[in-house]
Amino acid sequence: ETGVTQTPRHLVMGMTNKKSLKCEQHLGHNAMYWYKQSAKKPLELMFVYNFKEQTENNSVPSRFSPECPNSSHLFLHLHTLQPEDSALYLCASSQGGGQFFGPGTRLTVL
Amino acid sequence: KQEVTQIPAALSVPEGENLVLNCSFTDSAIYNLQWFRQDPGKGLTSLLLIQSSQREQTSGRLNASLDKSSGRSTLYIAASQPGDSATYLCAVRNTGNQFYFGTGTSLTVIP
Repeated sequence: ETGVTQTPRHLVMGMTNKKSLKCEQHLGHNAMYWYKQSAKKPLELMFVYNFKEQTENNSVPSRFSPECPNSSHLFLHLHTLQPEDSALYLCASSQGGGQFFGPGTRLTVL
Repeated sequence: KQEVTQIPAALSVPEGENLVLNCSFTDSAIYNLQWFRQDPGKGLTSLLLIQSSQREQTSGRLNASLDKSSGRSTLYIAASQPGDSATYLCAVRNTGNQFYFGTGTSLTVIP
């Protein structure tokens, strides 16, 4: 499999649930990103990892917890989310050039 | 902080027309600029990447130009087709791993 993959593609969860989003890149890139995309809003950068180290955290609430065990995998752990957290969550990777995006996870918080 | 603006926010054209999408950015010290296409509810597909030292890039019916000194880029789409209907996003990369996105132009090509 090539490119950037994300699972699950769709997720519905209650506010008390705990779930995780997974991203995997098969491009040999050293940087990985989480973005949030809400309706009618521009992409919001959430986290950046470079060589497994977190280099950016754009004031993201602690109910979102990223994990990067290696340069190919990135997780976003979710707990006690709010309905306003419903959005498309996009993962991307890069190395020295442009970004490559996964298909996204459509998250709905009830 | 880098700010990226895309004009127009929405555009509707009849099939076959040539069109131009605009992107402007406030800090000219960029590393590269990338144009993406996004279909509803889907991820972003990279269309063209222009390095800061380049003036333009071409791929098929698409041509992107970059004028770094004036903080502008354009995406030219020739002979538009209904399949080109999507939201087009531009993103600039500063030094490091920070990417800044515009709000996009929603394009509709009418058959």
